[in-house]
Amino acid sequence: SQTIHQWPATLVQPVGSPLSLECTVEGTSNPNLYWYRQAAGRGLQLLFYSVGIGQISSEVPQNLSASRPQDRQFILSSKKLLLSDSGFYLCAWDSGAQETQYFGPGTRLLVL
Amino acid sequence: GQQLNQSPQSMFIQEGEDVSMNCTSSSIFNTWLWYKQDPGEGPVLLIALYKAGELTSNGRLTAQFGITRKDSFLNISASIPSDVGIYFCAGPTGNQFYFGTGTSLTVIP
Repeated sequence: SQTIHQWPATLVQPVGSPLSLECTVEGTSNPNLYWYRQAAGRGLQLLFYSVGIGQISSEVPQNLSASRPQDRQFILSSKKLLLSDSGFYLCAWDSGAQETQYFGPGTRLLVL
Repeated sequence: GQQLNQSPQSMFIQEGEDVSMNCTSSSIFNTWLWYKQDPGEGPVLLIALYKAGELTSNGRLTAQFGITRKDSFLNISASIPSDVGIYFCAGPTGNQFYFGTGTSLTVIP
């Protein structure tokens, strides 16, 4: 069966520090991968998605970036965090068949 | 982009009551998904619908794919305290999934 992992689960970072959040998927190959941000417990904002290694589409201009160095690994990064980057970050995957999308457990980021 | 509107935005109900919520779109979807999110966790898929008019159940949950393909409904029968959470609808277009704004459910014991 397929599983999706995210780490860390919680992160507290000072403003201006770098960020690296990791997402990995097991039990499937060539998945579509997604990064979402959720603020205030409601509404999922799509940040990035990837249909293959090295292929990244950005939905919202910001100081975040994403990379997909391996087929089942998706990384969300920032060189300098802003206060407004605080939120709940969710990684998700689907098979590309537009049938279902599955979410990871999320990373709660607090920027102080 | 696509807009998915969910209603109601929030619900406060007594344990044992039935719950109904819906999701409408300005565009047609070929798939409708319903998720539940517990506080501090990722959304979990509850029901997937793939055909207009389809009615699918998962325990006490029943969802329907609207015949116009622009709406979907989720019903929860005989609510229990663990039904508390935020319920999202979603539909795919292209390489993206669009999510509704969520319905927050509170069950009063």
